[in-house]
This record gives sequence, structure tokens and C-alpha cells, in this order.
Amino acid sequence: AQSVTQLDSQVPVFEEAPVELRCNYSSSVSVYLFWYVQYPNQGLQLLLKYLSGSTLVKGINGFEAEFNKSQTSFHLRKPSVHISDTAEYFCAVSDRQAGTALIFGKGTTLSVSS
Amino acid sequence: ETGVTQTPRHLVMGMTNKKSLKCEQHLGHNAMYWYKQSAKKPLELMFVYSLEERVENNSVPSRFSPECPNSSHLFLHLHTLQPEDSALYLCASSQVGDARLYGYTFGSGTRLTVV
Repeated sequence: AQSVTQLDSQVPVFEEAPVELRCNYSSSVSVYLFWYVQYPNQGLQLLLKYLSGSTLVKGINGFEAEFNKSQTSFHLRKPSVHISDTAEYFCAVSDRQAGTALIFGKGTTLSVSS
Repeated sequence: ETGVTQTPRHLVMGMTNKKSLKCEQHLGHNAMYWYKQSAKKPLELMFVYSLEERVENNSVPSRFSPECPNSSHLFLHLHTLQPEDSALYLCASSQVGDARLYGYTFGSGTRLTVV
């Protein structure tokens, strides 16, 4: 069975600092990987996804993520964060071969302060 | 209106009440999902409807009852809930077979408080 582990429940950073949100997955089959963002009082919005090809994926709002198959990781990064990036971030995985449901991690709260 | 719309946004109900959550999507999708989001827990998949048929039910208590009358509408009927059922309930939609490629489109959720 697939599972997703987000190693940090909260990440506080200062504005304009770089940030990395960590995500590891457990799966015996090939997977697709996603990062979602949830702003306060809103639903989840797709940031970026990895399907195949280049292991470095670029998404919206200046975020990028790198797929590392050997380490089963899909960490999210941004070189310089803004106050407006304060939100909850969710990593998710789906099975390439079967099923339609995404499996989500517990989420990481990114808090950006000035 | 576009996207996935959930109503109401907030709901407070007593443990003996009966209420329903509504989800509507205007994206032409044919799969819909209910998720429960509790603080510091992974999103819990509750129900999946694909082409209006329920295809997945992850051992959800019977006090939650889904209904999918057509591919655009999804309901979650609630009765005799417990305080631990207080959470944000999220609806999502996708195209069957494409969710793995494109992910889901989520609504803004219904914040449910059981008193």
C-alpha cells in the first residue's frame, strides 16, 4: 500500500529566505506525485506534479520540486518566499497502474514572517 | 459559475440533527470524492463515485451517507454525528482515468462543528 510522509509539520521562515518542504513516499509500484497548497479557509489547489521525464518539476508561484527515485522523495523548494506563501502544503501520490484515488500526507504548515 | 462549489461553507449541528452537505462541479468531470480533513491528520478519503457509481468506501461509519444523483452533484447526508466528526469536509472532482495524471479539483470545503 502506498503512503506519504511529510517529515515536518511546521516550517517557520523569514521572508525572502529559501525553503524546502520534505516529502517521502512508500510504494512498490511506479507513481505520480503531486504537491497541493491550501490557503486559509480554502480548498486545495494544485501546485505542481511529476508524471515522467525530467526529475525537476516547476510549478506555480515560483515553486519547484525534484523527484528522486532512489530516495523515494519529492521535496518542494522555493528560493525566496513571500508572506503570501504562508499556507498548508500537501504532498500526494497516485498509483500509475490502477485506481483513481490520491493518497495525501499530513501536510506541512509554512509560516513566513517579516 | 466554474470549478467545484460546496455549500454550506460552515455548519453547526447537534448530535441528533440531520443535515446534508452539497457539492456541485461545473467542469464536466465524471468522478467525485468526499474527503475529511482533521487537524494534523492526513486527508481521509471517505467516498469515491465514478460515473455516478460508488466505487470506494473506506470503512466510513453509517452515520455518513453519500448520494450522487448525477455526475455534477454529490451529497453527504449526516445524522446522529459525534463531536469527533467535527472537521473540514472537502469535495473534489476529476475525469475518470485522468486523476492519476491531472490530480483533482477541490472545493473550498464545509467546516462542520458537531455540538
